[in-house]
Amino acid sequence: SQTIHQWPATLVQPVGSPLSLECTVEGTSNPNLYWYRQAAGRGLQLLFYSVGIGQISSEVPQNLSASRPQDRQFILSSKKLLLSDSGFYLCAWRYRAHYGYTFGSGTRLTVV
Amino acid sequence: KNEVEQSPQNLTAQEGEFITINCSYSVGISALHWLQQHPGGGIVSLFMLSSGKKKHGRLIATINIQEKHSSLHITASHPRDSAVYICACVTSGSARQLTFGSGTQLTVLP
Repeated sequence: SQTIHQWPATLVQPVGSPLSLECTVEGTSNPNLYWYRQAAGRGLQLLFYSVGIGQISSEVPQNLSASRPQDRQFILSSKKLLLSDSGFYLCAWRYRAHYGYTFGSGTRLTVV
Repeated sequence: KNEVEQSPQNLTAQEGEFITINCSYSVGISALHWLQQHPGGGIVSLFMLSSGKKKHGRLIATINIQEKHSSLHITASHPRDSAVYICACVTSGSARQLTFGSGTQLTVLP
């Protein structure tokens, strides 16, 4: 069966520090992968999506970047965190030909 | 106007009450997800539906494609149902992107 792992669940980082959040999918190949963010008091918003290794599309210009070094691995990064990067980050995947999404459990990031 | 609107934003109920959360959308969709987000932040997918009705335990989700409306019902609510409930629409077309509602904060009091 397919599973998605996202870690860590919570993270507290100082302003200016780097960030790396990882998401991996098991039990499938060639998934579409997605990163979403939920800022305080707002709904989830698409940050990046990837349809294949090394293919990243960005929806919102920001202080973050994403990479897909392997088929089932999706990484969200920042070189220097800002206070405004605090929020809830959610990874998700779906089969290319399907419309059903599977969600990671999310990471609560607090930048202090 | 948001493409996906949820109501109410906040809902407080007494234990045992029947609860309804509504989701209206203005985009064409392939499917709709109902998600549950607990205070710790973790997201759980409750339902994905593209027509009709689905039931899982005390939870029931319905969708009316013609009216562009979905509802999530909780029967015999319990304090452990307290969470944020989020409606997420999968847009139709090849992109099949997700558009999220802003969520409904449900608090069930004992």
